[in-house]
Amino acid sequence: AQSVTQLDSQVPVFEEAPVELRCNYSSSVSVYLFWYVQYPNQGLQLLLKYLSGSTLVESINGFEAEFNKSQTSFHLRKPSVHISDTAEYFCAVSQGGPRGTDKLIFGTGTRLQVFP
Amino acid sequence: GAVVSQHPSWVICKSGTSVKIECRSLDFQATTMFWYRQFPKQSLMLMATSNEGSKATYEQGVEKDKFLINHASLTLSTLTVTSAHPEDSSFYICSAPLATGELFFGEGSRLTVL
Repeated sequence: AQSVTQLDSQVPVFEEAPVELRCNYSSSVSVYLFWYVQYPNQGLQLLLKYLSGSTLVESINGFEAEFNKSQTSFHLRKPSVHISDTAEYFCAVSQGGPRGTDKLIFGTGTRLQVFP
Repeated sequence: GAVVSQHPSWVICKSGTSVKIECRSLDFQATTMFWYRQFPKQSLMLMATSNEGSKATYEQGVEKDKFLINHASLTLSTLTVTSAHPEDSSFYICSAPLATGELFFGEGSRLTVL
């Protein structure tokens, strides 16, 4: 069975500092990996995804994640965070279709809190 | 972009009553919608897949008679928690895919059963 582990439930960081949100998964087959972000009082939004090809994927707002098959990880990073990045971040894995419509298994989430 | 809206965002009810939560795709049609449940500090757990015009597909361990799902139109799916009890208190989230496959999530509905 697949599972997703987000080791850090909360990550406090000062503005303009780098941040890494960790995500590890377990699966016996190929997977597709996603990071979703949930801002206060809003629904989950897709931040970035790995389907195939380059193991480094980037989002439009400066986040990036690298798929590491040997370490079964998909950590999310940003070199310099902003106050507006404060949100809950969920890592998810899908064994099925790459478009994300198949069943997603979510991690427990990491709350990123950026302080001025 | 595509929008999925849930209503109500927060509901409090007495034990034994039933509560209906709506999930609407506002600017696109969705033949499939997904219902998730999230307990505090836990993952989102898929409860069921709602299919327009047919029966919902429930995940193992989810009581069909407890969580009634109706997907009567291409833009609306409803989740009814029947005879709610305090242990049903949770955050319920729906999602709907575009034809491209990208998933859009609602804002979630927080249910508190007293």
